[in-house]
Amino acid sequence: AQSVTQPDIHITVSEGASLELRCNYSYGATPYLFWYVQSPGQGLQLLLKYFSGDTLVQGIKGFEAEFKRSQSSFNLRKPSVHWSDAAEYFCAVAISGNTPLVFGKGTRLSVIA
Amino acid sequence: GAGVSQSPSNKVTEKGKDVELRCDPISGHTALYWYRQSLGQGLEFLIYFQGNSAPDKSGLPSDRFSAERTGGSVSTLTIQRTQQEDSAVYLCASRGLGDSYNEQFFGPGTRLTVL
Repeated sequence: AQSVTQPDIHITVSEGASLELRCNYSYGATPYLFWYVQSPGQGLQLLLKYFSGDTLVQGIKGFEAEFKRSQSSFNLRKPSVHWSDAAEYFCAVAISGNTPLVFGKGTRLSVIA
Repeated sequence: GAGVSQSPSNKVTEKGKDVELRCDPISGHTALYWYRQSLGQGLEFLIYFQGNSAPDKSGLPSDRFSAERTGGSVSTLTIQRTQQEDSAVYLCASRGLGDSYNEQFFGPGTRLTVL
């Protein structure tokens, strides 16, 4: 069965600093890959997704992620963090176009002035 | 149109009582998923409906949990004889038939507290 690891439970960055959230997956082939964000009291919002093609994908809110097959990773990045980016971030995988998502445990991002 | 809606937003119940949680998917979406988000377990899949096919119930944690989807639209998740470990946020998501990327749209969730 596939699994997702987000090694960092909590990350704190200064406003304006760059951000990288790590995600590693375990699966025999290339799965569908997603990053979701959950703000306090809110539902999950899709930031970006990868299915095939260009391994660097752009998402909403200035986020991007890079798929690296050799490392089974799909790390999320943002060049300059804003205070409004403070939230919980979830990496997820699916083995096909309609199977349920398997989520990582999440990384909580705090942004300080 | 409107996104995925869930009701109630909060539910407090006593141990042993039954509860029903409702999900209204995005109009026209044929796939519907239920997930549970709890402190200890993170986000877990519960059940998945796709059109008229038999639902995938492989994520249901016990036979106290069941779900139905009437008319291919609204879904109800029922938890019988609730236990304190059922306390969690229950999230519903829907997906359109033509979406090959498996992009699921999530509702705001129902926070269930079992006393």
